Amino acid sequence: KAGVTQTPRYLIKTRGQQVTLSCSPISGHRSVSWYQQTPGQGLQFLFEYFSETQRNKGNFPGRFSGRQFSNSRSEMNVSTLELGDSALYLCASSLNEDNYGYTFGSGTRLTVV
Amino acid sequence: QKEVEQNSGPLSVPEGAIASLNCTYSDRGSQSFFWYRQYSGKSPELIMSIYSNGDKEDGRFTAQLNKASQYVSLLIRDSQPSDSATYLCAVNEASGGSNYKLTFGKGTLLTVNP
Repeated sequence: KAGVTQTPRYLIKTRGQQVTLSCSPISGHRSVSWYQQTPGQGLQFLFEYFSETQRNKGNFPGRFSGRQFSNSRSEMNVSTLELGDSALYLCASSLNEDNYGYTFGSGTRLTVV
Repeated sequence: QKEVEQNSGPLSVPEGAIASLNCTYSDRGSQSFFWYRQYSGKSPELIMSIYSNGDKEDGRFTAQLNKASQYVSLLIRDSQPSDSATYLCAVNEASGGSNYKLTFGKGTLLTVNP
């Protein structure tokens, strides 16, 4: 059974650019959540999608957005990149809508220069 | 702001000892509690979940939950060098209706010395 797949694994972008990250959840999982992980702040919640609907959003600026497709695959987009957006972006999927335990993908390491 | 706090560490124990990791949370409405292990350079991996007050054992791991004290802990018996990792406490907070979100503590770095 395939795990949570995130692409790409690594990205280097320039300030002001935008970036799109992709996440394919475990087959059958309908809930997908996104987290930003940095050494200083730990894991910070970005947003959560269930059946193509954003159910929760964390305290991030509007430059951070996401969506989920009918096959449960999800994308997140960051526009007008800032140096502080450099982080590991983790996607996690869960089987049911009450989020009883996540399975994380390997993450996308974004570096903004 | 709802928070999840963990003992800051780092925690160092000798091989074979018991490692004790602690976590407190602020949201009394929280219903589900999880411990994740994260090796350096890897993504978090779910190792324990607990939903009711008391102890839950799985092999060398025991999770303990006390909702009245808003406290959850993880005990690792017979610690092995392979247990050296950052342990993340996560709490499923009720953010409205049935829409829960998982809030993580900043983690405790555990080192098990041979």
